[in-house]
Amino acid sequence: DAKTTQPTSMDCAEGRAANLPCNHSTISGNEYVYWYRQIHSQGPQYIIHGLKNNETNEMASLIITEDRKSSTLILPHATLRDTAVYYCIVTTTGTASKLTFGTGTRLQVTL
Amino acid sequence: NAGVTQTPKFQVLKTGQSMTLQCAQDMNHNSMYWYRQDPGMGLRLIYYSASEGTTDKGEVPNGYNVSRLNKREFSLRLESAAPSQTSVYFCASSEIRDRIYGYTFGSGTRLTVV
Repeated sequence: DAKTTQPTSMDCAEGRAANLPCNHSTISGNEYVYWYRQIHSQGPQYIIHGLKNNETNEMASLIITEDRKSSTLILPHATLRDTAVYYCIVTTTGTASKLTFGTGTRLQVTL
Repeated sequence: NAGVTQTPKFQVLKTGQSMTLQCAQDMNHNSMYWYRQDPGMGLRLIYYSASEGTTDKGEVPNGYNVSRLNKREFSLRLESAAPSQTSVYFCASSEIRDRIYGYTFGSGTRLTVV
C-alpha cells in the first residue's frame, strides 16, 4: 500500500471550512484514498473514500488531484464535535485489503 | 444494529496471565480485523481474517493468536500477557462489496498488563 504524509496538527475556527491535506505520491492505479477519523479514544469512523473523481457525502468532500498524488478532505462547516485525529489511508479494496494507519492529523476546532 | 461489539471494554491482567478478547459483528461482513493502538500512535494490524475459515498475520502478530469462530465472531487470544501488550485493542469488519461504507470499528478494549 502507498505511504501517506499528513501534517501533524491543524487548527480551525468553528463554522469555517477545515481543509486537511494528504500526500500519496506513490499511489498506484488500483488504490483508493480513504479518510477516517478517531474522536478521543473511540474506534475510527469512516468518513469518505474515492478513486480519482471528487466525492461528497453528508460528512465531507474529498478532492483528489488529477495526477492522484495528493488529496484534500474538506469539512465545510467545522464544529467542536469535529475535533479528532484524521487519517488518510491509501489501499486496494480486494479481499486482502488492509488499512494501514499512520499518525494522522490532529484537528482542533476552536470557538 | 449494533455493528461491531467488543468484550470486555476494560481488563487488567497480571504478567503471564492469559485472556481472550471477543469480537462479533452483525453486518454479515466477510472480513474481520484486530488492531492495537498504543498512546499517541496510529492503529497497527495484529491479525486479520479475509473470510470465514482463514486468518493471516498482520504487522505485529507476535504474542497473539486468533480464531475465526464463524462468520460473525473473531477472537484474539493473549496466551501469556506481557506489559508491552498494554494497549487499546480494536476489532473491525469490512465487506468488499460494501466499499461505500468502508470498515466498521468496535469501541475498543482497554487492556493493562501489570
